[in-house]
This record gives sequence, C-alpha cells and structure tokens, in this order.
Amino acid sequence: GNSVTQMEGPVTLSEEAFLTINCTYTATGYPSLFWYVQYPGEGLQLLLKATKADDKGSNKGFEATYRKETTSFHLEKGSVQVSDSAVYFCALRTSGTYKYIFGTGTRLKVLA
Amino acid sequence: KAGVTQTPRYLIKTRGQQVTLSCSPISGHRSVSWYQQTPGQGLQFLFEYFSETQRNKGNFPGRFSGRQFSNSRSEMNVSTLELGDSALYLCASSLGGVELEAGELFFGEGSRLTVL
Repeated sequence: GNSVTQMEGPVTLSEEAFLTINCTYTATGYPSLFWYVQYPGEGLQLLLKATKADDKGSNKGFEATYRKETTSFHLEKGSVQVSDSAVYFCALRTSGTYKYIFGTGTRLKVLA
Repeated sequence: KAGVTQTPRYLIKTRGQQVTLSCSPISGHRSVSWYQQTPGQGLQFLFEYFSETQRNKGNFPGRFSGRQFSNSRSEMNVSTLELGDSALYLCASSLGGVELEAGELFFGEGSRLTVL
C-alpha cells in the first residue's frame, strides 16, 4: 500500500544552520507530494507542494524537489530561524483520490 | 475568510461513553476529511466526505463514524470509547474536485479528546 517515511526527530539546530528533513514514499501511480507544518497549539498548514516529477515546491525559504527516481521529497532550508520550530509532516495524495497519507512528523527545534 | 472551525476544542470522557465532534469547513469547500493524531502514530486518516457522501475511508473500527450535511458541515462520532481513543482529532476541508486543483487541505485546530 501507499506509505510515507520521514526521518525520526527531534531535530535540534542552531539558528542559521542548514536544515534537511528526509522523506521517502511508496505509491502507485503518480502522487502529489506535500509538506505541512504544525506550530504549537495549531492545526496543520500547507508549507509547499509538488504535483509531478522534478517539480520544486518552495515557500518561506523552504524547498523540496519531487524525485521520482529515488521516490523522495526531502525538505531543505538554507538558514533556519527560531520561528521555524514546529512539527513538519510529509504527505502524499494519489491521483484520482482524496485520501492523504501522512508521515509521522518530524519535530524541529531551533535554538537562538 | 473564516477558517475551518472545530468544536469542542477540548473534552474529557470516560470509557464506554460516546462523543460527537463537529467541523465547519471554509465557505465553498465541499470536501471534509477527518484525521486522528497521536504522538506515536502521527496522522491517521479516518474518512472523507464530499457532497454528503463518504468518498474514502481509513482503517478504523466501526465505532468511528461520520456524516456530512447539505451545508458541508461534518460531524464524527465515536461510540463505546476506549482509552486508546485519546487523541487530537483534526478536520480538514478542501474544494473537493480532484481534477481541478492540487488538493490543498485546510486544517482546523482540532478537538483534543481525553478518555479516562
């Protein structure tokens, strides 16, 4: 079946450090891929998305590239801030459905 | 534009009781999905409704049920509560047309259920 695997957290970084959160997926067909972020006490909100192979999603300095050959969608940011501290979820939606599969989430803590 | 509204935000129940949670989607959104979020399991898909019809269902027991009304508002019900049902229940809405848009979900803040 379809699945999403994220790196285990928590990830603790100093401000201005480089961030990578790994995400790989298993899916039939050609899924759309998403990164959602959940700040403390809030619901999830979309960070970025990519709908086909080689697409790059970007937002707020975060980027992720849809790599079909490695079935990956790793999240990167060149310089993290304290305000980026949150839980990050990788997700996929297979074409023709409205069922999303989420990873277990990766907690990021950025220290000043 | 108002966001997704979930009520109640917090509730405490005892084993064996039942609970009903409510979700009002963003105006114009016709799809409502429900997720269970727990620390160990992450987000688990419960079900998705579109135009009052259940379109997708996750792998949860029959104690978990839902419905959607003609105004797109949705409710989910959990009967015969168990300790393991303690979780944050998240509702998400979207336009609902799989061919028309890439399917961004808009989440509410959730209903935190504690079962004692």
